[in-house]
Amino acid sequence: ETGVTQTPRHLVMGMTNKKSLKCEQHLGHNAMYWYKQSAKKPLELMFVYSLEERVENNSVPSRFSPECPNSSHLFLHLHTLQPEDSALYLCASSQDREGVFSTDTQYFGPGTRLTVL
Amino acid sequence: LAKTTQPISMDSYEGQEVNITCSHNNIATNDYITWYQQFPSQGPRFIIQGYKTKVTNEVASLFIPADRKSSTLSLPRVSLSDTAVYYCLVGGDTNAGKSTFGDGTTLTVKP
Repeated sequence: ETGVTQTPRHLVMGMTNKKSLKCEQHLGHNAMYWYKQSAKKPLELMFVYSLEERVENNSVPSRFSPECPNSSHLFLHLHTLQPEDSALYLCASSQDREGVFSTDTQYFGPGTRLTVL
Repeated sequence: LAKTTQPISMDSYEGQEVNITCSHNNIATNDYITWYQQFPSQGPRFIIQGYKTKVTNEVASLFIPADRKSSTLSLPRVSLSDTAVYYCLVGGDTNAGKSTFGDGTTLTVKP
């Protein structure tokens, strides 16, 4: 148990569906991340939020829409996905400390296994 | 953003010590070195972190030479359950998300 929870753990959706992934962290961190991991591939950083503001968006298609309503919650809204979007979606959090040597240690949730039909 | 290079894969046997080396030639002064472990279909898990010299915890040791251009993760007496992908990350600047996961090292422990 890392203190980061994700729901649902498994999701199957059609290309016309709209769904949302939820992440919650109980660690008091101020930064949260979405990663995508396709089969046998490295993690791809999708979005980063620090102090509830998006600080990085690695050219992710607009069919993925993040939302960070507060420092403990992060959502990934999905719409009109493609089969190639099937992957493990991981959420992580860390404590981003400005002005000092930040350790940037990330704590990951268990992931949501997404299948797009 | 410091780039890291690790071996793609390593094999070992139960009970052996495993050393995985990571190269990070352009590490910045305020960068930490962090290692993660990932099992299939799970999120990566923090193993150990260091800045210089040697760090040891209940799971592993991390050796960092004086020039900090490389680091070695040492796993003592591995078991079958240590089969996983191990990632070396360098970063930790003031902006979140500057560390990037590379390809990692797939360690396979055999009986």
